[in-house]
Amino acid sequence: KAGVTQTPRYLIKTRGQQVTLSCSPISGHRSVSWYQQTPGQGLQFLFEYFSETQRNKGNFPGRFSGRQFSNSRSEMNVSTLELGDSALYLCASSKKTGANTEAFFGQGTRLTVV
Amino acid sequence: DQQVKQNSPSLSVQEGRISILNCDYTNSMFDYFLWYKKYPAEGPTFLISISSIKDKNEDGRFTVFLNKSAKHLSLHIVPSQPGDSAVYFCAASYTNAGKSTFGDGTTLTVKP
Repeated sequence: KAGVTQTPRYLIKTRGQQVTLSCSPISGHRSVSWYQQTPGQGLQFLFEYFSETQRNKGNFPGRFSGRQFSNSRSEMNVSTLELGDSALYLCASSKKTGANTEAFFGQGTRLTVV
Repeated sequence: DQQVKQNSPSLSVQEGRISILNCDYTNSMFDYFLWYKKYPAEGPTFLISISSIKDKNEDGRFTVFLNKSAKHLSLHIVPSQPGDSAVYFCAASYTNAGKSTFGDGTTLTVKP
């Protein structure tokens, strides 16, 4: 059974640009969540999608957005990149929405903004 | 307001000894707790979980203890092995939360 796949693994962008990250969940999983991890910080919740609908959103500015497709694949977009957006972005999938269930994480996309 | 705290950024133990990783939470609504392990260049992997109706859950060398009155949980690894060296994240959630809240992680180093 294939795991959660995130592409690309590494990305370098310039301030002001926008970026799109992709996540393919485990087959059969309908929930996809996105997290940001910065050095020394825990995983900060960005948002969760379930059946193409955003179910929950963290405390991030509107520059961070996402969507989910009918096949449960999800994309995350960050517009007008700032240096502080440099981080590891992790996607996690689970069978059911949100809470009280284990999540399966991808390897992450390491974004560097210069 | 950080609702899940792992106050020890790092922990070093000798191989074969017990590793105890601690986690405190502030939100009384949390009723489900999870531990994840993360190796460098990999995503976190689920380790063990516990529901608030229990105070202990065991899986092989890993045991999680929950003290609801103190809003504290701990992960015990016995015996510790060098392969256990990783960052351990504590996470908490509750029904209808829609997400898990993670701590900042504790880096465990197990020395041979």
